[in-house]
Parts: sequence; C-alpha cells; structure tokens
Amino acid sequence: DQQVKQNSPSLSVQEGRISILNCDYTNSMFDYFLWYKKYPAEGPTFLISISSIKDKNEDGRFTVFLNKSAKHLSLHIVPSQPGDSAVYFCRRHGSSNTGKLIFGQGTTLQVKP
Amino acid sequence: SAVISQKPSRDICQRGTSLTIQCQVDSQVTMMFWYRQQPGQSLTLIATANQGSEATYESGFVIDKFPISRPNLTFSTLTVSNMSPEDSSIYLCSVEVDAWGEKLFFGSGTQLSVL
Repeated sequence: DQQVKQNSPSLSVQEGRISILNCDYTNSMFDYFLWYKKYPAEGPTFLISISSIKDKNEDGRFTVFLNKSAKHLSLHIVPSQPGDSAVYFCRRHGSSNTGKLIFGQGTTLQVKP
Repeated sequence: SAVISQKPSRDICQRGTSLTIQCQVDSQVTMMFWYRQQPGQSLTLIATANQGSEATYESGFVIDKFPISRPNLTFSTLTVSNMSPEDSSIYLCSVEVDAWGEKLFFGSGTQLSVL
C-alpha cells in the first residue's frame, strides 16, 4: 500500500519566518516527490519536486528536503509571505500507475502579516 | 504546460439530479484524470479517462454513479448522477503532458453543493 501522509492539517506562521511542511511516505522505491499549492477556488499548481536520488532541491524561497532513511520529506518556505497562505499537498510519483497519482491529505498554511 | 478550462465553477443541485462537468484542454493529451476533494480531505482519484476506451475507475467509484466521456484528446466530461448531499465536493480534472507524468495540471475545479 503506497501512501503519503501529511499529519499536520494546518500551520500558522508569522510573515518573514520559516514555514516547514512535512510529508511521510511508505514503500519507497525509485520515486519522485512533488509539492503542489492550492488556493481556494483554484486547482492545485505544481510548486517544486525532488527525485529520490537527491537530498535537497531549492527554488528561490522554496526548498524541499528528502530524508530517505526516515521516509520523510519537508518543504521549507523562507521567508514566508502572506501570499503563501494556501493548502499544500505532497504527492509521490513512482514507477507504477497507482503510485503516480497519490496525494497527501494537505496542510493549510496561514502566513500572518 | 497546459491550460485547462473547467465548468461550471460551482453549482448548487437538488438531491436526485445529475450534473455534468466539462473539462477542455488547450492541447492534445493522452490521459485525463478526474479527482474529488471532499471538505477537509485530500485529492482522491475517481477515474482515468483515455480517449477511445472506457474510463478506468478507482476503488469505491463506479461508472453508473460517475459516467465519464472522452470523445477526443482535448475534452472530457464527468457526470455526477443521482446526487446526494454526500456528493458535495470539489471536482477537479487534471492532465499530464509529459511522458513521465511528473507534473499534473489541474482545472480550477467545480464546487458542487447538493441540497
């Protein structure tokens, strides 16, 4: 059973501080992990990804870390901005058709001005 | 990338009726996906729609309840049939545009409320 889990349904941080969103997974094989951001009344949009051959991928204020031994990945947003307030989903993409379409439960991030 | 137009954006429907959601893509894509996001929940895949063949449904979803059409490579519809309040959700269509399928593109969603 290939799953990804986001155990924190919500997170609130102050503008300018770091936001850390977490995701745990099971049954790892060669995988590709992606983060999506979703605003209300909009579809999710791709944010950043990481291959399982890497430990870190950075894109501007967004960095994703992958800890393969712990089967854990995290998304860091530094500095956080009010416009980052959204729901964030992690997703795994694997070699099987089933694995490629699995999303976590989502974490609602609120960045307070 | 892909631009996806989904409509309606929202609707309020009566119990027992049906609603058809349309999804139009600005380029030809092989696979289109339909998702449901119930309140406070994750995105759940309903089915995969391939042009020229029957849609493939995930566990817990059946064709009689969620019939899907895929008449060509740029268009698909999802019908929510015989609706009940439990069907109140956001419904999203999605496509993958690269062979590896690492990046899904989504429509803006249909917010459905069933009274």
